[in-house]
Amino acid sequence: DTGVSQDPRHKITKRGQNVTFRCDPISEHNRLYWYRQTLGQGPEFLTYFQNEAQLEKSRLLSDRFSAERPKGSFSTLEIQRTEQGDSAMYLCASSRQGTDIYNEQFFGPGTRLTVL
Amino acid sequence: GDSVTQMEGPVTLSEEAFLTINCTYTATGYPSLFWYVQYPGEGLQLLLKATKADDKGSNKGFEATYRKETTSFHLEKGSVQVSDSAVYFCALSGPSDSNYQLIWGAGTKLIIKP
Repeated sequence: DTGVSQDPRHKITKRGQNVTFRCDPISEHNRLYWYRQTLGQGPEFLTYFQNEAQLEKSRLLSDRFSAERPKGSFSTLEIQRTEQGDSAMYLCASSRQGTDIYNEQFFGPGTRLTVL
Repeated sequence: GDSVTQMEGPVTLSEEAFLTINCTYTATGYPSLFWYVQYPGEGLQLLLKATKADDKGSNKGFEATYRKETTSFHLEKGSVQVSDSAVYFCALSGPSDSNYQLIWGAGTKLIIKP
């Protein structure tokens, strides 16, 4: 178990460009989450997958954002036509649906996006 | 909707001091409560959790008790170390397995001076 990994760790792009981030969850985890974290704030929920199905999207996820999780394994988050307001840390987490009554999520190191 | 409120930081303490970081929540039903820690340059790590009223979560000398009557989950440690310097986040999750997202406080930065 190597934990949740994210790639790249840092991304600098110019306004208007498209960017794509990748998340590899813990292998036996069937749930995957994307959050966004800006400086001095807690994470904000973006979207959630159970296996390959995207079950919920936050209103924060505008039409420029899209996420996929083909085959229920890794996930990608794409931002089209980036804006300076998209600059943030993008966090991925995974968890295992089971009989536990709580929802312990394991986080990756994040991808820091800077839009110039 | 559900929300979490944490005391503002930064909190600056000397080594071996007693630590309290306040966290209160608003939620329907009986959520699970968590403290996560984020060390400089690292990802969020679960520090401790509690799933029902009066439960006490503990790890690495940190403790927090789920208080339903005061809707609180304050983080405490009897003697802090320089290595405890980090940002601490309080979070909640819905009471059933169908509630998937964590609701987060804004985080409290802790600075421990030698």
